[in-house]
Amino acid sequence: EAQVTQNPRYLITVTGKKLTVTCSQNMNHEYMSWYRQDPGLGLRQIYYSMNVEVTDKGDVPEGYKVSRKEKRNFPLILESPSPNQTSLYFCASSFTTRAGYSPLHFGNGTRLTVT
Amino acid sequence: ILNVEQSPQSLHVQEGDSTNFTCSFPSSNFYALHWYRWETAKSPEALFVMTLNGDEKKKGRISATLNTKEGYSYLYIKGSQPEDSATYLCAFGNNAGNMLTFGGGTRLMVKP
Repeated sequence: EAQVTQNPRYLITVTGKKLTVTCSQNMNHEYMSWYRQDPGLGLRQIYYSMNVEVTDKGDVPEGYKVSRKEKRNFPLILESPSPNQTSLYFCASSFTTRAGYSPLHFGNGTRLTVT
Repeated sequence: ILNVEQSPQSLHVQEGDSTNFTCSFPSSNFYALHWYRWETAKSPEALFVMTLNGDEKKKGRISATLNTKEGYSYLYIKGSQPEDSATYLCAFGNNAGNMLTFGGGTRLMVKP
């Protein structure tokens, strides 16, 4: 089944404790992206990747890191999480390198709480 | 940061009503406009990707139109059903970059 898999679904952590949210897609998509969703603010892009070893900042990259060592995986790393990073996170992928040309396929989301 | 606005923010309709909502986006450097349907506790699912001015797309009772010159798209739902209750998101892609910028969404609630 074609899908984008995120783990974990739920995560509660404390300020400053490094964490990684994994994202994997099995559709051979070139484009992958991370979004966060906060009430009243909609989906905001954190980082995106157009291909292996090619990543770039979105609108809200501060406090996050990503890597794209393999085509299928695009982990999101929070080196020192803070409470303002409490949010619902989505990973998404699409077929083409240009974000707009083909639809995004979303993972199931990760609800992160930082205390 | 590009400005993509959706209106209304929320909408309550009765089963059987037809409804529509708006997505406004910058009219310059247009590349693509997406619509997504997002049900509670699920992830957003793509409805339409539109790239040409005047595009009209249809999927069942849902259709969308696109006006790139004036910077808006409409989403129509004919004969709303309770299962149409969801948040509808639009996303704008411009040809200056590789990002999709989402609007804040329209939350639709259909009462039986």
